[in-house]
Amino acid sequence: GENVEQHPSTLSVQEGDSAVIKCTYSDSASNYFPWYKQELGKRPQLIIDIRSNVGEKKDQRIAVTLNKTAKHFSLHITETQPEDSAVYFCAAITNQAGTALIFGKGTTLSVSS
Amino acid sequence: NAGVTQTPKFRILKIGQSMTLQCTQDMNHNYMYWYRQDPGMGLKLIYYSVGAGITDKGEVPNGYNVSRSTTEDFPLRLELAAPSQTSVYFCASTPSGQNGYGYTFGSGTRLTVV
Repeated sequence: GENVEQHPSTLSVQEGDSAVIKCTYSDSASNYFPWYKQELGKRPQLIIDIRSNVGEKKDQRIAVTLNKTAKHFSLHITETQPEDSAVYFCAAITNQAGTALIFGKGTTLSVSS
Repeated sequence: NAGVTQTPKFRILKIGQSMTLQCTQDMNHNYMYWYRQDPGMGLKLIYYSVGAGITDKGEVPNGYNVSRSTTEDFPLRLELAAPSQTSVYFCASTPSGQNGYGYTFGSGTRLTVV
């Protein structure tokens, strides 16, 4: 089945810096890669996603890049703000389990002002 | 639309007790999922269903059971609660054939087994 690895597990940056979180996946048939933000005690919220036929997608300060050959994708947050502090999860779809999302272990991002 | 509704929000169980976590969606989604999230970890797939009457195991199904008698409801049953089942449980749903689009999470059930 699909396996998703995520790094780093924690990331601390100064306000205004950029943050990059990386994920690798194992199933070459996976074709959908979302990123979720989870604040303490809340449900995961989708912040951006990318399909396998696209190499990069951007939404204001957030961007995701995908390298299908290497089977890795990354989340880029520019001009970080304290409200970006949260846990971020990457995920990949697996067609072997009813198109379920398989998640990475998460990255705790702390943005200090 | 209420989306995906989970009850209860919090529960404390004693070892060996049983309980059912409820999940209901009003979006007519065929695909539904149960995940658990342990502290500091990602979400792990417990069970999933692609339609009424169809269920299958995910990554971590041991100690749990599910049923799907209607499109709307997908309850998760714990028969003999163990401390290892202390976790936050999320239910999710998505329209069939959307390959990930429209994934909607419930607000979660925080379960403690003592």
